[in-house]
Amino acid sequence: EDQVTQSPEALRLQEGESSSLNCSYTVSGLRGLFWYRQDPGKGPEFLFTLYSAGEEKEKERLKATLTKKESFLHITAPKPEDSATYLCAAANDYKLSFGAGTTVTVRA
Amino acid sequence: GAGVSQSPSNKVTEKGKDVELRCDPISGHTALYWYRQSLGQGLEFLIYFQGNSAPDKSGLPSDRFSAERTGGSVSTLTIQRTQQEDSAVYLCASSLGRTSGAGDTQYFGPGTRLTVL
Repeated sequence: EDQVTQSPEALRLQEGESSSLNCSYTVSGLRGLFWYRQDPGKGPEFLFTLYSAGEEKEKERLKATLTKKESFLHITAPKPEDSATYLCAAANDYKLSFGAGTTVTVRA
Repeated sequence: GAGVSQSPSNKVTEKGKDVELRCDPISGHTALYWYRQSLGQGLEFLIYFQGNSAPDKSGLPSDRFSAERTGGSVSTLTIQRTQQEDSAVYLCASSLGRTSGAGDTQYFGPGTRLTVL
């Protein structure tokens, strides 16, 4: 059975304090590893797709990387507006299996 | 351009009543998905449409749940005889619907928060 585990569950950061979120997955025939951001009361907002081990993608203060078993979301010099829940999902064909998310709080 | 839209944004109903939730996907997206997000839980897959057909209904939790899609566009998720455990946020997503190769990026709507009293 496909499984996606995210850690930590919650992360409290001071503004400017860089950190990383982990997503480990067990999916047969991975078709893509997705990262989403979800703000309270809203739907998930697409951030990145990674397709193969070694791939990296960046957007502003966020950088996502992928290995054969894990993905990391690095947040560099975060700002309070980066506070959100970050979800990762692994695709086996069309179906996404989601982790429970990491809730990031960035204090000014 | 317009994203995925869902209505209503909030629905409060009494136990035993039927509810209909609507999803309007991104124009041109042939694939459509329904997920459920319960408090403190991850997103749970419910059903997948490719065009008007639903090749995977495996995530529907019981026969009280059904969904249809008409004209390859709008989809309706219906829950009959609602129970308190049905309370959750119901999210709809759509994608281009590539049938092979790399995984398809799914774009989500804002969700419908269902509360069953």
